Amino acid sequence: ILNVEQSPQSLHVQEGDSTNFTCGFPSSNFYALHWYRWETAKSPEALFVMTLNGDEKKKGRISATLNTKEGYSYLYIKGSQPEDSATYLCAFRIAGGTSYGKLTFGQGTILTVHP
Amino acid sequence: NAGVTQTPKFQVLKTGQSMTLQCAQDMNHNSMYWYRQDPGMGLRLIYYSASEGTTDKGEVPNGYNVSRLNKREFSLRLESAAPSQTSVYFCASSEAGSQPQHFGDGTRLSIL
Repeated sequence: ILNVEQSPQSLHVQEGDSTNFTCGFPSSNFYALHWYRWETAKSPEALFVMTLNGDEKKKGRISATLNTKEGYSYLYIKGSQPEDSATYLCAFRIAGGTSYGKLTFGQGTILTVHP
Repeated sequence: NAGVTQTPKFQVLKTGQSMTLQCAQDMNHNSMYWYRQDPGMGLRLIYYSASEGTTDKGEVPNGYNVSRLNKREFSLRLESAAPSQTSVYFCASSEAGSQPQHFGDGTRLSIL
């Protein structure tokens, strides 16, 4: 069973604060690391798919980095806004033919941005 | 663009009843997935289909069966529902295993 750990479990910040959270995953047999944003009463929405060690991806005020050798990824949000409030999920895909496309999700970090 | 459509959105069953959850995608994606989401457990993969004509077990397949009817549709069947299967079920699709997954709105299933 693959272990994907996200921390912190929840986070409360003020509007305008910058914040970051962590996703830890197995450092062996790495294929890809996904980040999803999940707003309440909606479905998860893909933010990034990262495949290379050292990858950095950016989408507006949100960015992510990847370290496959040590098995972690950081998600950063610059100048948080109330509409950033959501659960942020990471998911790990292991390399290997029998696991084609299978993602193992972390439990998520719940972000609440207070006005 | 409909994306991934799941039906029904809500369902209440009695223990022992059977039902099929439907999922269809209009993005011509090869891969489709069924997840369940439980409090404190995150999203767990039930079954997936890498391409039309193939299905494979995920992390929690017991008590479920799937059918990849064609490229668009992937259904999940509960043959004899149990209270432990009370959950929110999400269907997802992706162009390939390495691409991001697109999720449906979920089916909230309660088994009494």
